Amino acid sequence: AQSVSQHNHHVILSEAASLELGCNYSYGGTVNLFWYVQYPGQHLQLLLKYFSGDPLVKGIKGFEAEFIKSKFSFNLRKPSVQWSDTAEYFCAVSPLRGSYIPTFGRGTSLIVHP
Amino acid sequence: DTGVSQDPRHKITKRGQNVTFRCDPISEHNRLYWYRQTLGQGPEFLTYFQNEAQLEKSRLLSDRFSAERPKGSFSTLEIQRTEQGDSAMYLCASSAIPGNTEAFFGQGTRLTVV
Repeated sequence: AQSVSQHNHHVILSEAASLELGCNYSYGGTVNLFWYVQYPGQHLQLLLKYFSGDPLVKGIKGFEAEFIKSKFSFNLRKPSVQWSDTAEYFCAVSPLRGSYIPTFGRGTSLIVHP
Repeated sequence: DTGVSQDPRHKITKRGQNVTFRCDPISEHNRLYWYRQTLGQGPEFLTYFQNEAQLEKSRLLSDRFSAERPKGSFSTLEIQRTEQGDSAMYLCASSAIPGNTEAFFGQGTRLTVV
């Protein structure tokens, strides 16, 4: 079974700071990779996804993530955060064989101070 | 709104009572997932359906938990003889036929067992 590890559980930044959230997964086969965001009081929403091709993927609101296959990593980045980016961020992996069930990391709570 | 819909949004129940939650997925989605989320954790997979077939239920937390999707459309999650440890957010998600596709989440049902 696959697993997902998110290294930073709580991150506090000031506006305009750069952001990088780490995500590593363990699974021997091919996977789809996702970052979801949960704003306060809202449901989980897809931020970006990687299926194949260019390992650098761009999502909504200026976020991007890079898939490094050799490191089993899919780190999320944003060059300049805004107060409105305050949210919980979840990395998820879905194997491309068998059940395809998405497995989530425990999440990172990001607080951005204005 | 054509997203995933969950009902109720909040449920407070006394220990020992049975509760049932409903999920209406996006209409053309074949797959339906149930997850549980507790404070400070990511979504934890419980069970899933492909159309009306429940293909994985070994991750349901105990035999007090059961789920149905009788006609391949909406689904229900029932918890019998609730315990305080069942207090959590219960999330439903749906997706198209597995492959290069993402899961879409509902708002969740927050259960409080008193």
